[in-house]
Amino acid sequence: NAGVMQNPRHLVRRRGQEARLRCSPMKGHSHVYWYRQLPEEGLKFMVYLQKENIIDESGMPKERFSAEFPKEGPSILRIQQVVRGDSAAYFCASSPETGEDTQYFGPGTRLTVL
Amino acid sequence: KNEVEQSPQNLTAQEGEFITINCSYSVGISALHWLQQHPGGGIVSLFMLSSGKKKHGRLIATINIQEKHSSLHITASHPRDSAVYICAVPYSGGGADGLTFGKGTHLIIQP
Repeated sequence: NAGVMQNPRHLVRRRGQEARLRCSPMKGHSHVYWYRQLPEEGLKFMVYLQKENIIDESGMPKERFSAEFPKEGPSILRIQQVVRGDSAAYFCASSPETGEDTQYFGPGTRLTVL
Repeated sequence: KNEVEQSPQNLTAQEGEFITINCSYSVGISALHWLQQHPGGGIVSLFMLSSGKKKHGRLIATINIQEKHSSLHITASHPRDSAVYICAVPYSGGGADGLTFGKGTHLIIQP
């Protein structure tokens, strides 16, 4: 059973470009969480999704950021018009079902904005 | 919203020493996570526990739900244990919540 997969592992963008980060949850997992780790800071919750639904996006910046988890395919975290302050490691985690507390983390995507 | 405090922030010890890292949280929870992160690396989930004690190799995690406190212990520490250890809880206590994290404990084990 493959673990949580994220790609790309490293992404470089220039200011103003778009960044798309992908997360494939573990097989059988229908819940996905996105977290951000800014340089020299702790991890922060961004968004929690189930298939085709955003459950909680209270940690997501109101502008430029969006997330989806379609019926088929990976979850996508999209950052439009990136700025240098978006440079961070973005981790996703998945869990199997509602009420199941265990979250399994992916290896992260390191975004660098030039 | 749950708040998480970890101590110490930094810890340097000699190989073989017994290590304790502490975590306190403010809101009652369904479970608490201990995570490990190596520099520039991914996050590994070490333990998820809701009561009592769990052991995996040289790592032991305990939790006291009434006192809202957990400890992570490393016995016979080794330089490869050097990493950041992070405590995390559901941010409003419930099972399927996103997690809120402590700032982490930077552990260095010297040979």
